[in-house]
Amino acid sequence: DAKTTQPPSMDCAEGRAANLPCNHSTISGNEYVYWYRQIHSQGPQYIIHGLKNNETNEMASLIITEDRKSSTLILPHATLRDTAVYYCIVRPHLTTGANNLFFGTGTRLTVIP
Amino acid sequence: DVKVTQSSRYLVKRTGEKVFLECVQDMDHENMFWYRQDPGLGLRLIYFSYDVKMKEKGDIPEGYSVSREKKERFSLILESASTNQTSMYLCASSPGGLSGEQYFGPGTRLTVT
Repeated sequence: DAKTTQPPSMDCAEGRAANLPCNHSTISGNEYVYWYRQIHSQGPQYIIHGLKNNETNEMASLIITEDRKSSTLILPHATLRDTAVYYCIVRPHLTTGANNLFFGTGTRLTVIP
Repeated sequence: DVKVTQSSRYLVKRTGEKVFLECVQDMDHENMFWYRQDPGLGLRLIYFSYDVKMKEKGDIPEGYSVSREKKERFSLILESASTNQTSMYLCASSPGGLSGEQYFGPGTRLTVT
């Protein structure tokens, strides 16, 4: 069963901020929100993760709503190389189970020149 | 930067052949994973390892085995390749505790004819 819901596709103009939403209304208290992306013909790339506070790193910012039922990944200045499928995943940060990363269908972001 | 390398980007093998896929990571990570990625099915975990000589079955281990003799190297073995094992194979590693922060290799696209 899908734990996250993302729009199938989005466009963003080069140089503008790309805001990618994710709904995770059934998230439980010990589950983190992770974001990955996959550029065509490459392996997935870890971007960022968070529990309840907003997070920022050199790649992106993650904004998590106060009720934790949704989040937004922000790429502040999108470039053509950011064109990829972006996956939002919820799971405990540490787990001993075999049920590891469930990627779902993600959002296909196209950055337009 | 974490670097995960895989021995081949593309591989073509015949039905019944024994196939070895090699993965090496250079960040001293405890955990390593093998996934396969198929259209419409996302990433599925085959095997993972949380220490040298330790291995755990993932969601779809049938037809596969693994070997981890050294911390940096995790091998996936297809004992007798079949056409339904044609897929993209992705290796990943993560720091201790089976964290959701995983770093992926570029993938090996295996075709079994």
